[in-house]
Amino acid sequence: DTAVSQTPKYLVTQMGNDKSIKCEQNLGHDTMYWYKQDSKKFLKIMFSYNNKELIINETVPNRFSPKSPDKAHLNLHINSLELGDSAVYFCASSQEPFEKLFFGSGTQLSVL
Amino acid sequence: SQQGEEDPQALSIQEGENATMNCSYKTSINNLQWYRQNSGRGLVHLILIRSNEREKHSGRLRVTLDTSKKSSSLLITASRAADTASYFCALNAGNNRKLIWGLGTSLAVNP
Repeated sequence: DTAVSQTPKYLVTQMGNDKSIKCEQNLGHDTMYWYKQDSKKFLKIMFSYNNKELIINETVPNRFSPKSPDKAHLNLHINSLELGDSAVYFCASSQEPFEKLFFGSGTQLSVL
Repeated sequence: SQQGEEDPQALSIQEGENATMNCSYKTSINNLQWYRQNSGRGLVHLILIRSNEREKHSGRLRVTLDTSKKSSSLLITASRAADTASYFCALNAGNNRKLIWGLGTSLAVNP
């Protein structure tokens, strides 16, 4: 059973489109995250939710909006996609905030 | 910058050899974590070492932490081709509201 699953694995889209990435964890964890990994492999936190409440909202464009319908899900919606949004986006979860994170397999977003 | 800095950036060894990666940092930490990322995959947590601990083991992995020098090392003994991956240190600092990532060490284990 996959612990943290995110879909889709690959997302190729045109500039200006709106897209969503879904994430689900079956570990019963209280905290979930979205990270962006750039081409140099640097991981940047975007958002963190604890029990469905937003606890971290780093400086990301407001075109990015997270939604947590319940503790097990944290989806990422991106409006008006730009070329610079191309990256790998990772969902993760943990029981304690920022300790022993479990990562999904990533979504490779390519904006053309 | 507060981020952890891994050293070396890249390491290439033969199967059976030991691999040592280092992480230096500048801030005070609550704990330090090591993760592995295989190509095209998500990160996998390896070991968490708290600021009051000096050494931890997990299988072929040994992590040390020297808070006076603000550095940690990850040793992989008897390496295997399957250990080929990028290894990241992540610092849990401040009031637990952040995880500060390094840029990783790319390890290649040649059969």
